[in-house]
Amino acid sequence: DAKTTQPNSMESNEEEPVHLPCNHSTISGTDYIHWYRQLPSQGPEYVIHGLTSNVNNRMASLAIAEDRKSSTLILHRATLRDAAVYYCILRYAGNMLTFGGGTRLMVKP
Amino acid sequence: GAGVSQSPSNKVTEKGKDVELRCDPISGHTALYWYRQRLGQGLEFLIYFQGNSAPDKSGLPSDRFSAERTGESVSTLTIQRTQQEDSAVYLCASSPRGQLASTDTQYFGPGTRLTVL
Repeated sequence: DAKTTQPNSMESNEEEPVHLPCNHSTISGTDYIHWYRQLPSQGPEYVIHGLTSNVNNRMASLAIAEDRKSSTLILHRATLRDAAVYYCILRYAGNMLTFGGGTRLMVKP
Repeated sequence: GAGVSQSPSNKVTEKGKDVELRCDPISGHTALYWYRQRLGQGLEFLIYFQGNSAPDKSGLPSDRFSAERTGESVSTLTIQRTQQEDSAVYLCASSPRGQLASTDTQYFGPGTRLTVL
């Protein structure tokens, strides 16, 4: 299975943008890039997904490198509520969501 | 609309006892998943139900673990003869289309925190 690599933790100041990186150098052409996050004491929640083009939704933006070997989740203005563990996951038809260690985002007031 | 619900939210049991955990998925979702999350760790896949197909049990850690699902509704995860290493949060998720759809999104419940004394 294609694997993702994320930093263990990142810090941000409140109301500043946050760029969460993810490397997936062995990604294949049919893999979608999914992001989930897990707030403290809650189940994970879906954030965004994409294939090749950059994607925007109400929660975040996803920037995908041209060679698709890396991607970046962008939170445009971090709030204290965005403090969570963020998971970058590759999916293709037939595989399971595999949650690695993720990036623990800490947001300072 | 209602999300995925799980009960109980917390369960404390003694080693050797059996426990049943319940998951109510989002109505209309064909796929249902169970995961385990030990303290400070990532999610471990346990079992996957897709419609009326045979479940994918490849993640179940031992034969003490079993799960059932009736049609596309409620699922129960049963752990027999619980051990202390079974202590974890057990998370259930459902999704509209399941594993075969690369863009399918999973919706998670709040989890059941199981403590085995």
